[in-house]
Amino acid sequence: GPKVLQIPSHQIIDMGQMVTLNCDPVSNHLYFYWYKQILGQQMEFLVNFYNGKVMEKSKLFKDQFSVERPDGSYFTLKIQPTALEDSAVYFCASSFDWGNTLYFGAGTRLSVL
Amino acid sequence: AEKVIQVWSTASRQEGEELTLDCSYETSQVLYHLFWYKHLLSGEMVFLIRQTSSSTAKERSGRYSVVFQKSLKSISLIISALQPDDSGKYFCALWERSNYNVLYFGSGTKLTVEP
Repeated sequence: GPKVLQIPSHQIIDMGQMVTLNCDPVSNHLYFYWYKQILGQQMEFLVNFYNGKVMEKSKLFKDQFSVERPDGSYFTLKIQPTALEDSAVYFCASSFDWGNTLYFGAGTRLSVL
Repeated sequence: AEKVIQVWSTASRQEGEELTLDCSYETSQVLYHLFWYKHLLSGEMVFLIRQTSSSTAKERSGRYSVVFQKSLKSISLIISALQPDDSGKYFCALWERSNYNVLYFGSGTKLTVEP
């Protein structure tokens, strides 16, 4: 099926540092998403993004979080500054349209020390 | 309250057997979609099959099929002729036609298929 690529697969950083997670969505998709999964728990919605704007965000999407996709390049999730509770696997997803199937990447495991 | 519930956290079967994974959901929307995904050991989350609330067709994709009981708000994933590669964690997810373009996930069922 369609592939979403996430870089890097694992990132280890010290608390308080900035981190940027990168996502290369499916090429003709228009909607982009970030989900968060803490170990052993279910995936939870963070944010969706369309036409250069955040459309919806959950309460998990703290003020320290931001997303962008400059000029059709990577769709990024930036956390600045990071906190211990940000440790999780972050999944990027994309879909062609509202309500269409989401295709996910393999996740980036973020470890905040 | 949880929107998507997968009661069984683990399951195990022998190669060649058939497995049914259950999922129940809660929604007040008329139009919604239900998805099954498989989380591989590699980390990849793979889309398996989708059921639309308005469809009466029995969705099938290869060895995957679903049993959709709309009145019970239940959807089951059936995997036939199990193979060891079917081992992984299976997630049920709900998308509702509302103001929010959000996919709600269950907690997943970890399947082990023994050769």
